[in-house]
Amino acid sequence: EDQVTQSPEALRLQEGESSSLNCSYTVSGLRGLFWYRQDPGKGPEFLFTLYSAGEEKEKERLKATLTKKESFLHITAPKPEDSATYLCAVQDHFQGAQKLVFGQGTRLTINP
Amino acid sequence: KAGVTQTPRYLIKTRGQQVTLSCSPISGHRSVSWYQQTPGQGLQFLFEYFSETQRNKGNFPGRFSGRQFSNSRSEMNVSTLELGDSALYLCASSLEPGGADTQYFGPGTRLTVL
Repeated sequence: EDQVTQSPEALRLQEGESSSLNCSYTVSGLRGLFWYRQDPGKGPEFLFTLYSAGEEKEKERLKATLTKKESFLHITAPKPEDSATYLCAVQDHFQGAQKLVFGQGTRLTINP
Repeated sequence: KAGVTQTPRYLIKTRGQQVTLSCSPISGHRSVSWYQQTPGQGLQFLFEYFSETQRNKGNFPGRFSGRQFSNSRSEMNVSTLELGDSALYLCASSLEPGGADTQYFGPGTRLTVL
C-alpha cells in the first residue's frame, strides 16, 4: 500500500530563516509526486509536480527536489505570507491515474 | 479561466439525513476526483469520474456515492449521515485521466453533522 510521511508535523521559523520540509514515500511505481499549499479553510493550491529522481523545480522562494525515496521542499528566506500547511502527495502507476495519496502535511508558521 | 467551484460552501445536517454536494470543474477538464479531509485522517481519496463513469474508488462505505454529467460537472451524495462524516469535502479536476496530470482543487464544502 502506498504511504506518504511528512516531517516535521509543524515548523515555526523567523522571517528570513531558511529550512526544508521532508516527504518520504513508498509506492509500487511512482507516476508523479505533487506539492500543494493549503491555507486554513481553503482547498489545496498546486505548487509543483516531480516525475523522476533528480528532478528539481523552483517557484519564488520555494524549491522542490526528488529522490527515489523522498522529496524535499526548500524554503529560502521565507516571509510571513508563506505560512500555510504544505501537503505532499503521490500518484502510483498501479492505483489508478487520478488517485492521490497524501501525507498529513507540515504546518509552517513564519514569524515576522 | 475560472477555477474549480463547489457548492454549497457550508452545510449543517443531522444524523440520518442525506446530502448532495456539487462540483464544477475547470473549463475543458474532464476528470473529477473527490476527497474527504479531516483533522485525524487528512486527505483521503473518495472516487474519480471521467466521461460519466466512475474509474476508481477509495475505501469508503457504500453510503458515499457520486456521479458525473455530460458537461463534466459532478455530484457527490452521502446517505444516512453519521457524526464521523463531518469533514471538508474537496473536489479536484484535471484534463484527462492517465499520466501524472495535475489535479486542481476547489475551495471545498464544509459539512457538519449534528
